[in-house]
Amino acid sequence: KQEVTQIPAALSVPEGENLVLNCSFTDSAIYNLQWFRQDPGKGLTSLLLIQSSQREQTSGRLNASLDKSSGRSTLYIAASQPGDSATYLCAVGGLDQTGANNLFFGTGTRLTVIP
Amino acid sequence: DTAVSQTPKYLVTQMGNDKSIKCEQNLGHDTMYWYKQDSKKFLKIMFSYNNKELIINETVPNRFSPKSPDKAHLNLHINSLELGDSAVYFCASSPPADSPYEQYFGPGTRLTVT
Repeated sequence: KQEVTQIPAALSVPEGENLVLNCSFTDSAIYNLQWFRQDPGKGLTSLLLIQSSQREQTSGRLNASLDKSSGRSTLYIAASQPGDSATYLCAVGGLDQTGANNLFFGTGTRLTVIP
Repeated sequence: DTAVSQTPKYLVTQMGNDKSIKCEQNLGHDTMYWYKQDSKKFLKIMFSYNNKELIINETVPNRFSPKSPDKAHLNLHINSLELGDSAVYFCASSPPADSPYEQYFGPGTRLTVT
């Protein structure tokens, strides 16, 4: 059974700092890995999707890496801004017997960027 | 032009009632899902529905039943509601497995059982 862990659980940084969020998973037989952002009381916004054959994906100030063999992914945020404050969720995708891609979520990292 | 929509956004009801949450996606996706986010903010898969085949997570009580009237909808019916069912329920959809297979989530339905 896939288990996903995110460290740290909470992080506060001053504006402008670069930061790294960590995600680890127990079963390396994954289909893909997706990073989400969740604002308080809101839904999930997809940030980056990494296929199992890929090593990293970039979007603007965000860079996500994937090391399947070690069961790890990182989300790097450059030049953090107060608007980046949110909970960041790592989700590992695995195909079930119908071909659906079920996501297994980590517990999230709550990020606060201080102006 | 919302991609994945859910109604209602908030649902407050008493124990023992039966309720439904609707989900619609206009992305033309083949696969839809329901997730539950508990009070500790932990998200867990409940169901996946792909090509008319339903997979139920083993931990989901049989009081929960998804129903798909067509490819764009996957509604969640809950019978005999219990206090522990209070949570935020998210619907999601994804394209076929031969594409990037990114999942798109609805805004969530906050269910409160009193």
